[in-house]
Amino acid sequence: GESVGLHLPTLSVQEGDNSIINCAYSNSASDYFIWYKQESGKGPQFIIDIRSNMDKRQGQRVTVLLNKTVKHLSLQIAATQPGDSAVYFCAEREYGNKLVFGAGTILRVKS
Amino acid sequence: GAVVSQHPSRVICKSGTSVKIECRSLDFQATTMFWYRQFPKQSLMLMATSNEGSKATYEQGVEKDKFLINHASLTLSTLTVTSAHPEDSSFYICSARDSTNTEAFFGQGTRLTVV
Repeated sequence: GESVGLHLPTLSVQEGDNSIINCAYSNSASDYFIWYKQESGKGPQFIIDIRSNMDKRQGQRVTVLLNKTVKHLSLQIAATQPGDSAVYFCAEREYGNKLVFGAGTILRVKS
Repeated sequence: GAVVSQHPSRVICKSGTSVKIECRSLDFQATTMFWYRQFPKQSLMLMATSNEGSKATYEQGVEKDKFLINHASLTLSTLTVTSAHPEDSSFYICSARDSTNTEAFFGQGTRLTVV
């Protein structure tokens, strides 16, 4: 369903640690999922995507996990760096339809 | 990835006036464009979806007469906020997708402040 516009939760991690950001999606018919990074005052930036026929996909320092049984998506960032500090959104899409954003998580990296 | 350019990046307008925001796909043909609004510390809320040459489809609760969307070409969509009020102050973001129907690319957003 639509994001309800809640205030964003914050995840604080130490530089060099791994980060895990979680997202629950609502539409069991969604077949495509994307993680975006948004820095202050900018538009969302694509990080990684995954289709519903997969349960894991890896990129450079990032891994997305998809659990369709419980409608859960996670983003893992390895060796988190200060430049990773941003707001992270998951988004889901039913084929051909609109992209619906999750509530988002603020990631703060402490040096 | 493909480039979507949004202009202006920030605008201040007086209450009661109208303001137009442009969204351009620079290196691909955008058959579908989306307009989002984002309030501080909140997620992106879809306002409307527009397909080139067709009328936009508005989300529930979004006034189509207030937020005019035009998608007259495969590279340009515009959002006009008519008779703007301070409560319309927000961050407006467009995204564009081509006919292959895969990921959508986002513009850099427009910060609208109505005074």
